[in-house]
Amino acid sequence: DIQMTQSPSSVSASIGDRVTITCRASQGISSWLAWYQQKPGKAPKLLVYAASTLQSGVPSRFSGSGSGTDFTLTISSLQPEDFATYYCQQANSFTFGPGTKVDIK
Amino acid sequence: EVQLVESGGGLVQPGGSLRLSCTASGLTFSTYGVTWVRQAPGKGLEWVSGIGYDDITYYADSVKGRFTISRDNSKNTLYLQMNSLTAKDTAVYFCAKDLDNTFNWFDPWGQGTLVTVSS
Repeated sequence: DIQMTQSPSSVSASIGDRVTITCRASQGISSWLAWYQQKPGKAPKLLVYAASTLQSGVPSRFSGSGSGTDFTLTISSLQPEDFATYYCQQANSFTFGPGTKVDIK
Repeated sequence: EVQLVESGGGLVQPGGSLRLSCTASGLTFSTYGVTWVRQAPGKGLEWVSGIGYDDITYYADSVKGRFTISRDNSKNTLYLQMNSLTAKDTAVYFCAKDLDNTFNWFDPWGQGTLVTVSS
């Protein structure tokens, strides 16, 4: 089974900061990766799929990159509504990463 | 606007059964795959099961043989029949729509329904 890891597990950041989250697959998955955002008590929301395609309606400050085993989600300028937990998900067996919590510094 | 609404959660004893429903609106339900993902209290996301528009079903190893996914396109409804429940199945269960019929990624999601397995 493909395992997914994320780093860091949490990050404290300020409004306007650039935030980068990394996701690593235990074996190559080409570009079969998605990123989701989840706020407390809410359902997850798809941000990026196919590693770098921004879902419709998602602000352009979010971007995804990578292929093979190493992927990143970048928030170019953190906004108040971006404080949340972010999960990567590989599309082969739908495994999710453990999540990265972004909170206020 | 596509909306998914889960129902059927509740408190069930270990070894018991429960059937979850997910009713969809704003889409031609029969033409999309749909999936169940769960989240134990304070934990991360775990994919549970999925069914394609072609009725092909998929299960996580952790639920295979105990859970059954099905759909009724005439009612725009997805089901998850859960049997032989244990405390490890306690979670919020979300349903979600296959984004583009590739069955790789999912959006949107419902608000979730809580299943608690406890005596």
